[in-house]
Amino acid sequence: ETVLTQSPTTTAASPGEKVTITCRASSSISYMHWFQQKSGASPKLWIYDTSKLASGVPNRFSGSGSGTSYSLIISSIESEDGAPYYCQQKSSEPPTFGSGTKLEIK
Amino acid sequence: EVQLVESGGGLVQPGRSLKLSCAASGFTFSNYYMAWVRQAPTKGLEWVASITNSGGSTYYRDSVKGRFTISRDNAKSTLYLQMDSLRSEDTATYYCTRGDAWGQGASVTVSS
Repeated sequence: ETVLTQSPTTTAASPGEKVTITCRASSSISYMHWFQQKSGASPKLWIYDTSKLASGVPNRFSGSGSGTSYSLIISSIESEDGAPYYCQQKSSEPPTFGSGTKLEIK
Repeated sequence: EVQLVESGGGLVQPGRSLKLSCAASGFTFSNYYMAWVRQAPTKGLEWVASITNSGGSTYYRDSVKGRFTISRDNAKSTLYLQMDSLRSEDTATYYCTRGDAWGQGASVTVSS
Protein backbone atom coordinates (compact mmCIF):
# COMPACT_ATOMS: atom_id res chain seq x y z
CA GLU A 1 0.00 0.00 0.00
CA THR A 2 1.05 3.60 -0.51
CA VAL A 3 2.18 5.07 2.79
CA LEU A 4 1.67 8.81 3.28
CA THR A 5 4.04 10.62 5.62
CA GLN A 6 2.87 14.04 6.80
CA SER A 7 5.06 16.70 8.31
CA PRO A 8 5.15 18.36 10.65
CA THR A 9 3.05 16.39 13.13
CA THR A 10 2.15 19.58 14.95
CA THR A 11 2.78 23.20 14.11
CA ALA A 12 1.85 26.51 15.69
CA ALA A 13 1.51 29.80 13.88
CA SER A 14 0.35 33.32 14.61
CA PRO A 15 -2.41 35.01 12.61
CA GLY A 16 -1.00 36.36 9.39
CA GLU A 17 1.84 33.84 9.13
CA LYS A 18 2.31 31.41 6.24
CA VAL A 19 2.15 27.68 6.92
CA THR A 20 3.07 24.73 4.73
CA ILE A 21 2.07 21.14 5.45
CA THR A 22 3.80 18.42 3.47
CA CYS A 23 2.67 14.93 2.54
CA ARG A 24 5.12 12.48 1.01
CA ALA A 25 3.98 9.27 -0.67
CA SER A 26 5.96 6.05 -0.65
CA SER A 27 5.26 5.67 -4.37
CA SER A 28 4.18 8.03 -7.08
CA ILE A 29 0.52 9.02 -7.09
CA SER A 30 -1.61 11.09 -9.45
CA TYR A 31 -3.51 13.30 -7.03
CA MET A 32 -3.62 14.23 -3.37
CA HIS A 33 -6.66 15.22 -1.35
CA TRP A 34 -6.74 17.10 1.94
CA PHE A 35 -9.26 17.09 4.76
CA GLN A 36 -9.80 19.44 7.70
CA GLN A 37 -11.35 18.06 10.87
CA LYS A 38 -12.54 20.38 13.60
CA SER A 39 -12.82 18.99 17.11
CA GLY A 40 -15.83 16.70 17.54
CA ALA A 41 -16.84 17.01 13.89
CA SER A 42 -16.59 14.87 10.77
CA PRO A 43 -13.72 15.45 8.35
CA LYS A 44 -14.40 17.97 5.60
CA LEU A 45 -12.94 17.72 2.12
CA TRP A 46 -10.72 20.79 1.88
CA ILE A 47 -8.59 20.40 -1.23
CA TYR A 48 -9.13 17.79 -3.94
CA ASP A 49 -7.20 16.66 -6.99
CA THR A 50 -4.05 18.25 -5.51
CA SER A 51 -4.98 21.89 -6.01
CA LYS A 52 -8.75 22.40 -6.25
CA LEU A 53 -10.45 24.07 -3.30
CA ALA A 54 -13.63 22.46 -2.04
CA SER A 55 -16.74 24.59 -1.86
CA GLY A 56 -16.50 27.28 0.79
CA VAL A 57 -12.76 26.96 1.41
CA PRO A 58 -11.07 30.36 1.63
CA ASN A 59 -8.61 31.20 -1.12
CA ARG A 60 -5.80 31.70 1.39
CA PHE A 61 -5.55 27.90 1.11
CA SER A 62 -3.80 26.28 -1.83
CA GLY A 63 -2.44 22.89 -2.76
CA SER A 64 0.40 21.79 -4.98
CA GLY A 65 2.63 18.88 -5.78
CA SER A 66 3.21 15.92 -8.02
CA GLY A 67 4.68 12.44 -7.94
CA THR A 68 5.56 11.70 -4.33
CA SER A 69 5.55 15.17 -2.79
CA TYR A 70 2.50 17.31 -2.08
CA SER A 71 1.77 20.39 0.02
CA LEU A 72 -1.09 22.27 1.57
CA ILE A 73 -0.24 25.95 1.99
CA ILE A 74 -2.02 28.61 3.99
CA SER A 75 -0.81 32.01 2.87
CA SER A 76 -1.99 34.00 5.88
CA ILE A 77 -3.27 32.08 8.87
CA GLU A 78 -6.53 33.07 10.54
CA SER A 79 -7.78 31.89 13.92
CA GLU A 80 -10.47 29.69 12.37
CA ASP A 81 -7.82 27.59 10.58
CA GLY A 82 -6.70 25.77 13.71
CA ALA A 83 -7.47 22.05 13.24
CA PRO A 84 -5.89 18.77 12.21
CA TYR A 85 -5.35 18.34 8.46
CA TYR A 86 -5.08 14.94 6.77
CA CYS A 87 -3.82 14.07 3.31
CA GLN A 88 -5.33 11.16 1.39
CA GLN A 89 -4.48 9.32 -1.81
CA LYS A 90 -6.88 7.24 -3.88
CA SER A 91 -4.59 6.67 -6.85
CA SER A 92 -3.75 3.15 -5.73
CA GLU A 93 -5.63 0.57 -3.71
CA PRO A 94 -6.10 0.66 -0.82
CA PRO A 95 -6.82 4.35 -0.26
CA THR A 96 -4.60 5.66 2.51
CA PHE A 97 -4.45 8.68 4.81
CA GLY A 98 -1.55 10.50 6.28
CA SER A 99 -1.29 10.53 10.07
CA GLY A 100 -2.36 14.15 10.29
CA THR A 101 -0.90 17.57 11.05
CA LYS A 102 -2.31 19.48 13.97
CA LEU A 103 -2.30 23.23 13.29
CA GLU A 104 -2.46 25.38 16.39
CA ILE A 105 -3.02 29.13 16.37
CA LYS A 106 -0.85 31.15 18.75
CA GLU B 1 -28.57 19.04 0.37
CA VAL B 2 -26.35 15.96 0.51
CA GLN B 3 -26.86 14.02 3.73
CA LEU B 4 -25.33 10.83 5.07
CA VAL B 5 -26.72 9.56 8.36
CA GLU B 6 -25.13 6.60 10.10
CA SER B 7 -26.87 4.38 12.62
CA GLY B 8 -26.34 1.07 14.38
CA GLY B 9 -23.34 1.86 16.53
CA GLY B 10 -23.00 0.85 20.16
CA LEU B 11 -21.19 -1.19 22.78
CA VAL B 12 -20.51 -4.81 21.87
CA GLN B 13 -18.47 -7.62 23.39
CA PRO B 14 -15.39 -8.98 21.64
CA GLY B 15 -16.28 -11.68 19.13
CA ARG B 16 -19.81 -10.38 18.60
CA SER B 17 -21.35 -8.68 15.58
CA LEU B 18 -22.76 -5.27 14.71
CA LYS B 19 -24.25 -3.84 11.53
CA LEU B 20 -23.93 -0.18 10.62
CA SER B 21 -26.26 1.55 8.20
CA CYS B 22 -25.84 4.82 6.34
CA ALA B 23 -28.92 6.48 4.89
CA ALA B 24 -28.12 8.77 1.96
CA SER B 25 -30.24 11.61 0.63
CA GLY B 26 -29.91 14.68 -1.55
CA PHE B 27 -28.11 12.93 -4.41
CA THR B 28 -28.42 9.94 -6.74
CA PHE B 29 -26.89 7.31 -4.46
CA SER B 30 -26.52 4.69 -7.22
CA ASN B 31 -24.10 6.97 -9.10
CA TYR B 32 -21.48 6.99 -6.34
CA TYR B 33 -18.66 4.80 -5.09
CA MET B 34 -19.01 4.73 -1.28
CA ALA B 35 -16.71 3.93 1.60
CA TRP B 36 -16.43 3.47 5.33
CA VAL B 37 -13.62 5.26 7.16
CA ARG B 38 -12.96 4.90 10.88
CA GLN B 39 -11.19 6.91 13.54
CA ALA B 40 -10.09 5.37 16.81
CA PRO B 41 -10.23 7.67 19.86
CA THR B 42 -7.57 10.41 19.59
CA LYS B 43 -6.18 8.79 16.40
CA GLY B 44 -6.16 9.59 12.69
CA LEU B 45 -8.37 8.50 9.84
CA GLU B 46 -8.27 4.93 8.56
CA TRP B 47 -9.99 3.67 5.41
CA VAL B 48 -11.95 0.46 6.12
CA ALA B 49 -13.84 -0.61 3.01
CA SER B 50 -15.19 0.63 -0.32
CA ILE B 51 -17.87 -0.45 -2.74
CA THR B 52 -18.46 0.48 -6.36
CA ASN B 53 -21.68 2.25 -7.36
CA SER B 54 -23.31 -0.95 -8.58
CA GLY B 55 -22.07 -2.97 -5.63
CA GLY B 56 -20.29 -5.30 -7.99
CA SER B 57 -16.85 -4.79 -6.46
CA THR B 58 -15.76 -4.37 -2.87
CA TYR B 59 -12.43 -3.61 -1.24
CA TYR B 60 -11.22 -4.03 2.35
CA ARG B 61 -8.26 -3.16 4.47
CA ASP B 62 -6.30 -6.26 5.43
CA SER B 63 -7.17 -6.13 9.13
CA VAL B 64 -10.91 -6.46 8.46
CA LYS B 65 -10.89 -8.86 5.50
CA GLY B 66 -13.01 -11.91 6.25
CA ARG B 67 -14.69 -10.17 9.22
CA PHE B 68 -16.39 -7.09 7.71
CA THR B 69 -18.73 -6.95 4.74
CA ILE B 70 -19.66 -3.76 2.93
CA SER B 71 -22.88 -3.75 0.91
CA ARG B 72 -25.46 -1.35 -0.46
CA ASP B 73 -29.11 -1.19 -1.41
CA ASN B 74 -29.42 1.38 -4.17
CA ALA B 75 -33.22 1.16 -4.09
CA LYS B 76 -33.11 2.30 -0.47
CA SER B 77 -30.12 4.65 -0.90
CA THR B 78 -28.45 2.89 1.99
CA LEU B 79 -24.91 1.71 2.65
CA TYR B 80 -24.13 -1.04 5.16
CA LEU B 81 -21.19 -2.40 7.07
CA GLN B 82 -21.63 -5.82 8.66
CA MET B 83 -18.95 -6.28 11.30
CA ASP B 84 -18.36 -9.79 12.66
CA SER B 85 -15.80 -11.19 15.10
CA LEU B 86 -15.24 -7.74 16.51
CA ARG B 87 -12.01 -6.96 18.35
CA SER B 88 -11.06 -4.25 20.79
CA GLU B 89 -8.94 -2.63 18.09
CA ASP B 90 -12.10 -2.08 16.02
CA THR B 91 -13.26 0.49 18.58
CA ALA B 92 -13.72 3.73 16.66
CA THR B 93 -16.11 6.20 15.16
CA TYR B 94 -17.17 4.87 11.76
CA TYR B 95 -17.91 7.38 9.01
CA CYS B 96 -19.84 6.75 5.84
CA THR B 97 -18.42 8.82 2.99
CA ARG B 98 -18.65 9.38 -0.73
CA GLY B 99 -15.37 11.31 -0.60
CA ASP B 100 -16.67 14.85 -0.70
CA ALA B 101 -19.41 14.29 1.86
CA TRP B 102 -19.25 12.56 5.23
CA GLY B 103 -21.79 11.43 7.77
CA GLN B 104 -21.68 12.44 11.42
CA GLY B 105 -20.21 9.09 12.41
CA ALA B 106 -21.37 6.07 14.41
CA SER B 107 -19.51 5.14 17.58
CA VAL B 108 -18.52 1.50 17.99
CA THR B 109 -17.00 0.30 21.25
CA VAL B 110 -15.78 -3.28 21.55
CA SER B 111 -15.30 -4.19 25.17
CA SER B 112 -16.22 -6.87 27.66
